[in-house]
Amino acid sequence: GQQVMQIPQYQHVQEGEDFTTYCNSSTTLSNIQWYKQRPGGHPVFLIQLVKSGEVKKQKRLTFQFGEAKKNSSLHITATQTTDVGTYFCAGRGTGFQKLVFGTGTRLLVSP
Amino acid sequence: GAVVSQHPSRVICKSGTSVKIECRSLDFQATTMFWYRQFPKQSLMLMATSNEGSKATYEQGVEKDKFLINHASLTLSTLTVTSAHPEDSSFYICSASIPGSTDTQYFGPGTRLTVL
Repeated sequence: GQQVMQIPQYQHVQEGEDFTTYCNSSTTLSNIQWYKQRPGGHPVFLIQLVKSGEVKKQKRLTFQFGEAKKNSSLHITATQTTDVGTYFCAGRGTGFQKLVFGTGTRLLVSP
Repeated sequence: GAVVSQHPSRVICKSGTSVKIECRSLDFQATTMFWYRQFPKQSLMLMATSNEGSKATYEQGVEKDKFLINHASLTLSTLTVTSAHPEDSSFYICSASIPGSTDTQYFGPGTRLTVL
């Protein structure tokens, strides 16, 4: 079945440093979504990418969808302590209804 | 924005008892809701897709007789964990999509189940 892996599993950065998490799917995706889950909380939708090669920005966050629509990345510029949490990508395969969540990247930011 | 609530937020029960978790869409009607399970520091695993007025669609490996899902109205889906055992202890999260929009999923706050 469809698998979605993320690397790294965990990253600890100093406030102000940049951070990137990579998402790779075993199959071609129709779209990719990104969610953030704070410790003890629930996933919150951040963004959806649909087009091949698409790049979207939200303030310090930059999201990219690969040309082959099998991978994606989330880059955070100048991290802040409020960025702490686990970032999940979630992909929907072509022809499938199910949204498959990635393994997640846990980000810790030290002041 | 779309709001999804879950009740209870936390429940502790004895082994062998059944626990019902409610998921409600507060400001929109959801023809489809999803139930996920999340173990500590792990990803979300889809358990089943709940369809209003019809039977739920369960993912492979999920026992439908153990995890009973009922979607009786457009704003309410329930998950009942029957004859709970300690290995059922987990974080259960529901989500819903707004019909006709992008397939963004709005998640409830989750229910932490602990079975003693």
